[in-house]
Amino acid sequence: AQSVAQPEDQVNVAEGNPLTVKCTYSVSGNPYLFWYVQYPNRGLQFLLKYITGDNLVKGSYGFEAEFNKSQTSFHLKKPSALVSDSALYFCAVRDAGSARQLTFGSGTQLTVLP
Amino acid sequence: KAGVTQTPRYLIKTRGQQVTLSCSPISGHRSVSWYQQTPGQGLQFLFEYFSETQRNKGNFPGRFSGRQFSNSRSEMNVSTLELGDSALYLCASSRTGQGGDNSPLHFGNGTRLTVT
Repeated sequence: AQSVAQPEDQVNVAEGNPLTVKCTYSVSGNPYLFWYVQYPNRGLQFLLKYITGDNLVKGSYGFEAEFNKSQTSFHLKKPSALVSDSALYFCAVRDAGSARQLTFGSGTQLTVLP
Repeated sequence: KAGVTQTPRYLIKTRGQQVTLSCSPISGHRSVSWYQQTPGQGLQFLFEYFSETQRNKGNFPGRFSGRQFSNSRSEMNVSTLELGDSALYLCASSRTGQGGDNSPLHFGNGTRLTVT
């Protein structure tokens, strides 16, 4: 079985401050991990993914995520938040050993305050 | 390159009716997946089609069905609509599908279905 948890429904951060959106996962084998962002009345947009290799993954719009196998986490980070980063963020996981579909987390609403 | 196109964007139906939603994937993408998004349940996987064959199916009742045509366009049908079917329905396309090479899913902007 595969599952993903986003423990925070809402994250607020001041513009210019660093931001972190948390994600933990559970899979039987090795994980494939993804972050997506959703703006109001739009579909999800791909930000970044971890398949293998370096634990620090860099993605679109200055976002990065750190894979931590021992803590089964894949937290999304950005050094300096922008008001335009305000959106709904989804973490997703798939077991590398299966042909199953992605399982998405419940989403975290990020609000960057000016 | 055109993105994933979903039609219509908004739909209002009455309980008991049926509805068909359409999704045109990015050119060259052979996989189309459908998701239901609601505030309470989040994103729930409905099914995935690849080369006109259903490859994976989520835990939804048989009222939810889909198909894929030879040009990779996909339709989703919901029969005997219930109030709880009100949701944003998203489709996503990819080149090789969700069990393939991990190329990212490309989502459309969704169809907002309201059942009254």
